[in-house]
Formats: sequence, structure tokens, C-alpha cells
Amino acid sequence: KNEVEQSPQNLTAQEGEFITINCSYSVGISALHWLQQHPGGGIVSLFMLSSGKKKHGRLIATINIQEKHSSLHITASHPRDSAVYICAVTGNQFYFGTGTSLTVIP
Amino acid sequence: DAEITQSPRHKITETGRQVTLACHQTWNHNNMFWYRQDLGHGLRLIHYSYGVHDTNKGEVSDGYSVSRSNTEDLPLTLESAASSQTSVYFCASSRGGPNSPLHFGNGTRLTVT
Repeated sequence: KNEVEQSPQNLTAQEGEFITINCSYSVGISALHWLQQHPGGGIVSLFMLSSGKKKHGRLIATINIQEKHSSLHITASHPRDSAVYICAVTGNQFYFGTGTSLTVIP
Repeated sequence: DAEITQSPRHKITETGRQVTLACHQTWNHNNMFWYRQDLGHGLRLIHYSYGVHDTNKGEVSDGYSVSRSNTEDLPLTLESAASSQTSVYFCASSRGGPNSPLHFGNGTRLTVT
């Protein structure tokens, strides 16, 4: 069983749509991370949060510690948002989800 | 600006050869990690280090080794490359503590033929 589960695995959206990616975890954590990986590219950290909600531009991340669940929202999606989004948690080590592949069509 | 650099970006090698992948960070981070990324799996931890002369095995460490002789570098060595080690390898670093973000290199795509 994976310690971190993401859904959906793949997501296709039209430009401008509101997008939600979900992450559930089964271990005790001190923080949750959302990462972005563009095709053929490196991995960058979008958010690190341990409670509540954070917002950067069109991206919003929320976490519910009691339910062991986090969501990443993208408002007014754009083709440049096409990437793999990875959820990771830090407990006694880093645990990673398998990623959600997002394609935004113009 | 501080950064973490991996080299080479691409490498093709033959089964049985020894291969070393380089990772160099200028963040002055204590913690450094090596992961491999394969389809259908999340990032999987190979080895990690919490400081100079400290190395630890991750969940998929068989066939790999690391050494940490200074803060900046954590080279990953494949002792005798196998086709199962064809993968994309990522090096990462963090300052330390549970709430420190990870900084990733751009990855090394390794093909073992």
C-alpha cells in the first residue's frame, strides 16, 4: 500500500477550467508538499504546508490534517499548467505520490 | 543564486559497467538525497545523507552506493549497471528539519543496454 495516494492519475481540461487534484496519506506527517514536474524537466516545489491553506497566484493548496487529505486547485487553467503534479509528505522520511498528469488544452 | 546541479543529463552505458552520477549543490544544505523515478512508481529513495561522512540506505539501495566527503557533493555510483537500473535519477537537498522544502536537480536519464 502506498503511503500517499493521488487522484486522478490523469486529467485533461480545457483552458480556463477550474482544476482540483487530490492527495490522501496514511502516515503521520509534519508537512505536505506539492511539486510540479514539466515534461523532460526538473521538479520544483510549489507549496509546503502543515495546516490550512496557501495561495500563489492561480494555485491554491489546502490541507485537512484530521482527514489526512490535501487538495491542489488551479483556477483559470492555462496550457502552461500542463505538467505532472506530485504530492509528498514528510514524516520520518519523505513519501511521494505517483503524480497526476495534467494536460490543459487551448 | 544557489542551485543543485546534476551531471550528466543523459547517459547510456552497458550492463556490468560502473557508472557514477554527480550531484553538486550550492545551498550549503546538510541533507542530500538520491531518488529514482519510474513509470507507475513515485519517487523512490535510493540513498541519503544528513551531513559529511554520513550515508544511509533508502528503500531501493541494492546495487548503488554513495559517499559524502564534503557538504556540496553526493555522487551516486552504480557498481555494476543492470538493465533494471534504467531510470531517471534525481538528486535533492534540503536544509534539514521536517519542514524544510526539497530542492531538486534537473535529473539524469540513465539507459543501461
